[in-house]
Amino acid sequence: KQEVTQIPAALSVPEGENLVLNCSFTDSAIYNLQWFRQDPGKGLTSLLLIQSSQREQTSGRLNASLDKSSGRSTLYIAASQPGDSATYLCAVLSGSARQLTFGSGTQLTVLP
Amino acid sequence: ETGVTQSPTHLIKTRGQQVTLRCSSQSGHNTVSWYQQALGQGPQFIFQYYREEENGRGNFPPRFSGLQFPNYSSELNVNALELDDSALYLCASSLAGPTGELFFGEGSRLTVL
Repeated sequence: KQEVTQIPAALSVPEGENLVLNCSFTDSAIYNLQWFRQDPGKGLTSLLLIQSSQREQTSGRLNASLDKSSGRSTLYIAASQPGDSATYLCAVLSGSARQLTFGSGTQLTVLP
Repeated sequence: ETGVTQSPTHLIKTRGQQVTLRCSSQSGHNTVSWYQQALGQGPQFIFQYYREEENGRGNFPPRFSGLQFPNYSSELNVNALELDDSALYLCASSLAGPTGELFFGEGSRLTVL
């Protein structure tokens, strides 16, 4: 059974800092890994998708890496802004049911 | 804007009742999945439909059922509601089949009293 863990559960940083969010998963047989952002009471916004054959993806100030063999992914956010405050969720697509298994998220607060 | 629309956005039911949640995705998105998200937790996979057939199911009882229509819109039905069914229900669709990138709607917030 796939399990996804995200560390830390919560993070508070001053504006302008670079930061790293961590994600680990137990079964390396994945189709892809997605990072999502969720604002309070809202749905999920897809940030980055990394296919199992890829090592990293970049979008603007965001960079995500994938090390499938060790079951790890990181999301790097450069020059953080207050508008980045949200919960960030990591999810891996795996299994015969082709389901996304999510971590519990990292709640990020960027202080002005 | 993901192009995935869910209705209703909020609803309140009592224990034992039945509920139907609806999802409309972008044209051509032939795969739809439903997830349940309890407060403070990550979403949990309920099931997936691909070209109108159930293609995978998570650890949810049979009282959770679904449909996908020829226009690729979808419904989630929950019978005999329990208090623990209170959650945000999220619909997600994919253009690239069951292993493609998923795009989520804003969700339907269900409260069971």
